[in-house]
Amino acid sequence: GQNIDQPTEMTATEGAIVQINCTYQTSGFNGLFWYQQHAGEAPTFLSYNVLDGLEEKGRFSSFLSRSKGYSYLLLKELQMKDSASYLCAVVDSNYQLIWGAGTKLIIKP
Amino acid sequence: NAGVTQTPKFRVLKTGQSMTLLCAQDMNHEYMYWYRQDPGMGLRLIHYSVGEGTTAKGEVPDGYNVSRLKKQNFLLGLESAAPSQTSVYFCASSYQAEGNQPQHFGDGTRLSIL
Repeated sequence: GQNIDQPTEMTATEGAIVQINCTYQTSGFNGLFWYQQHAGEAPTFLSYNVLDGLEEKGRFSSFLSRSKGYSYLLLKELQMKDSASYLCAVVDSNYQLIWGAGTKLIIKP
Repeated sequence: NAGVTQTPKFRVLKTGQSMTLLCAQDMNHEYMYWYRQDPGMGLRLIHYSVGEGTTAKGEVPDGYNVSRLKKQNFLLGLESAAPSQTSVYFCASSYQAEGNQPQHFGDGTRLSIL
């Protein structure tokens, strides 16, 4: 079967750094997306990885290791507005997205 | 700057009633998707469309039907609503499925079946 694992909830302090991990087992791999979803709102695109390595975009970076079936999202200089759920999604062999259940990130002052 | 628009935003139905959720996108995207999001679970694909006049089943299609008569619209129908269909429904669209083209989501429809 296909499986995406993420921690259910994480807590971090404003101004700090947090790493949200995602491990996957899917039928094929054609890329991995990270989305942000604030409570009661739509998911919004953060990043895309298809090759191994780190992609940096401002305060957010995303890393991929295809051999390990592993990705992480790194958030730096945390702000209160970063309190949200972060969704990991893998593009499978049929080019459909398989979604993790999301990690709820709580930022404390 | 509308993007993906879903109507209605909220709805309460009784078991056995029917309804249609409407999704409209103004980005000229070929691909459109309907998902449901339930607590503790990832988004699950109900049906999708790769172009006007086409539809295909996703992971959880039972109890739902869809139509894509116009490129910009994707309708999701519940013929006979059941409490298990209580969920938040999201529509999304994308330029293509391959590559780094992200899906763009509507604000969701919160549906309760009593």
